[in-house]
Amino acid sequence: QVQLQESGPGLVKPSETLSLTCNVSGGSVSSGDYYWSWIRQPPGKGLEWIGYFSSRGSTSYNPSLMSRVTMSADTSKNQFSLKLTSMSAADTAVFYCARGSVERKFHFDFWGQGILVTVSP
Amino acid sequence: DIQMTQSPSSLSASVGDRVTITCRASQSITTYLNWYQQKPGKSPRLLIYGASFLQSGVPLRFSGSGSGTAFTLTISSLQPEDFATYFCQQSFITPYTFGPGTNLEIK
Repeated sequence: QVQLQESGPGLVKPSETLSLTCNVSGGSVSSGDYYWSWIRQPPGKGLEWIGYFSSRGSTSYNPSLMSRVTMSADTSKNQFSLKLTSMSAADTAVFYCARGSVERKFHFDFWGQGILVTVSP
Repeated sequence: DIQMTQSPSSLSASVGDRVTITCRASQSITTYLNWYQQKPGKSPRLLIYGASFLQSGVPLRFSGSGSGTAFTLTISSLQPEDFATYFCQQSFITPYTFGPGTNLEIK
């Protein structure tokens, strides 16, 4: 059973860069045809896909955030990460990491528990 | 971006009821449509992928149908643990987008 666990700061200041890590167990970030993704959810609101880093090393980002996002993976630690620059109050959200699978049709089959990131001075 | 809409936005129902939630896409997504269930304070859980494929471990009372721009999620007989928010999501093209959610409440 694949398990994902987000880690990082719960509070960042405006204009700072957010760095989050997702630790993966029960599977490898560098094998198979998977798309290691970040998704966020502002409090009380809907879900927004941020982007993915694939097992084959490719990336895809949401154009709405593309200028501020970088995703990467550390295969030695079986982790993948998100960096989001120029944080503002509008970025306050629960951030989830998830595995994207292309079995039949692309879907997110495993999710982390989420980490609440608040942007405040 | 492909816009996803859901109806109703909220729904009150009783245990044992049959419930249907509708999701529409702003353009054809063939069957690249997934459904997720989210309970308060929890991460989303995949229920249905590819419009109609039941994720492993999901009870058979959940089913999905549709293609093109119109899709439905049906719960054949509501159980107490089914009261939650349901989201649809298109994976036809990036950026992947989600519907705004349907909040299923106990009547």
